[in-house]
Amino acid sequence: DAGVIQSPRHEVTEMGQEVTLRCKPISGHNSLFWYRQTMMRGLELLIYFNNNVPIDDSGMPEDRFSAKMPNASFSTLKIQPSEPRDSAVYFCASSPPGQQGIQYFGAGTRLSVL
Amino acid sequence: RKEVEQDPGPFNVPEGATVAFNCTYSNSASQSFFWYRQDCRKEPKLLMSVYSSGNEDGRFTAQLNRASQYISLLIRDSKLSDSATYLCVALLSNDYKLSFGAGTTVTVRA
Repeated sequence: DAGVIQSPRHEVTEMGQEVTLRCKPISGHNSLFWYRQTMMRGLELLIYFNNNVPIDDSGMPEDRFSAKMPNASFSTLKIQPSEPRDSAVYFCASSPPGQQGIQYFGAGTRLSVL
Repeated sequence: RKEVEQDPGPFNVPEGATVAFNCTYSNSASQSFFWYRQDCRKEPKLLMSVYSSGNEDGRFTAQLNRASQYISLLIRDSKLSDSATYLCVALLSNDYKLSFGAGTTVTVRA
């Protein structure tokens, strides 16, 4: 079975550029999560979707960050404009109905903003 | 104060040894608890859920103490492949938000 698929795996960009991260959750999972991980702050929840609807975006750091889930099999996280402090590993995770504690993570996107 | 606190370690143990570590959580309304494992430069993966009565999964034993608000993980007969960072996780009462500890690093040496 395919797990959560994220792309790209690595992204290097210059400050001010737009960055789009992509995620395909596991088929049949109805909850999708975007996380950011840094050494200083650990794993932080950015946004949570349930049945394609954003339920909690309180972790989105600023208006520069936006996320969409146009259908059950695809989500994007966009940063515009990007800043060096956005450098981190961004994980997407999905969970099956009724089991939000059991999350399956993608391999992550390692973002470096120069 | 972080919602889930862990001793970062590292715990350096020889193969075959037993290693145990705890984490504490601050929100008494937390419903469920988990241990996730994260290898270097990899994604977190669920290791096991933690049940109130305590539970085992092979060489791994998890315990929950609600009165003192701590969770423990014990690894018996450590293998080299157990080297990883172990993340203690609490599911908050809103049923979807996982609060991750910063992780405890375990290194098993030959």
